[in-house]
Amino acid sequence: GQQLNQSPQSMFIQEGEDVSMNCTSSSIFNTWLWYKQDPGEGPVLLIALYKAGELTSNGRLTAQFGITRKDSFLNISASIPSDVGIYFCAGTGMEGGGADGLTFGKGTHLIIQP
Amino acid sequence: ETGVTQTPRHLVMGMTNKKSLKCEQHLGHNAMYWYKQSAKKPLELMFVYNFKEQTENNSVPSRFSPECPNSSHLFLHLHTLQPEDSALYLCASSQVLAGGPETQYFGPGTRLLVL
Repeated sequence: GQQLNQSPQSMFIQEGEDVSMNCTSSSIFNTWLWYKQDPGEGPVLLIALYKAGELTSNGRLTAQFGITRKDSFLNISASIPSDVGIYFCAGTGMEGGGADGLTFGKGTHLIIQP
Repeated sequence: ETGVTQTPRHLVMGMTNKKSLKCEQHLGHNAMYWYKQSAKKPLELMFVYNFKEQTENNSVPSRFSPECPNSSHLFLHLHTLQPEDSALYLCASSQVLAGGPETQYFGPGTRLLVL
């Protein structure tokens, strides 16, 4: 089946630093999604990417859909304490027009040191 | 209520018990999903329902039985579970559009412990 390789597995950074994480796959995905999950909660959607090469921002977050459709990255600028959590990339392979389950990466655990 | 809700939030059950997890989406979506999240493993898709019809069963053991009575409600019936089934069970929903991409929105999950 399809797999997503997400890195790094964890990050220890200082408040105010920029963060970068990425996902790669051996398969093509037609949609890339980035989620954040806080302890005891479900994943919350941060950014959705629908076109190869697309670069999308949401406040301090920026994500790009790789031109090959096999990778994506997420950047967080000027990190703040509430950015702590686990970030997941997810992809779906279906072109559209049907429900398709998401394939998830293993997550990047972001820890911010004061 | 807004978004996707799940009840109960926490559940402890014995291996011989029968219990059900409930999910309700208030987003007007037409597709719903069950995922399993275990420690140190990626979220795993279990079931997909599109317009109340099950379109995918991702090799899930028969001790997990889904039910989708309408496009807003989704259940996961549990019976004779094993300790390794302990996990966070997440429900999600999306609006499937012809020819278009769809984004899934998740509920808060049910934390299940099987003793």
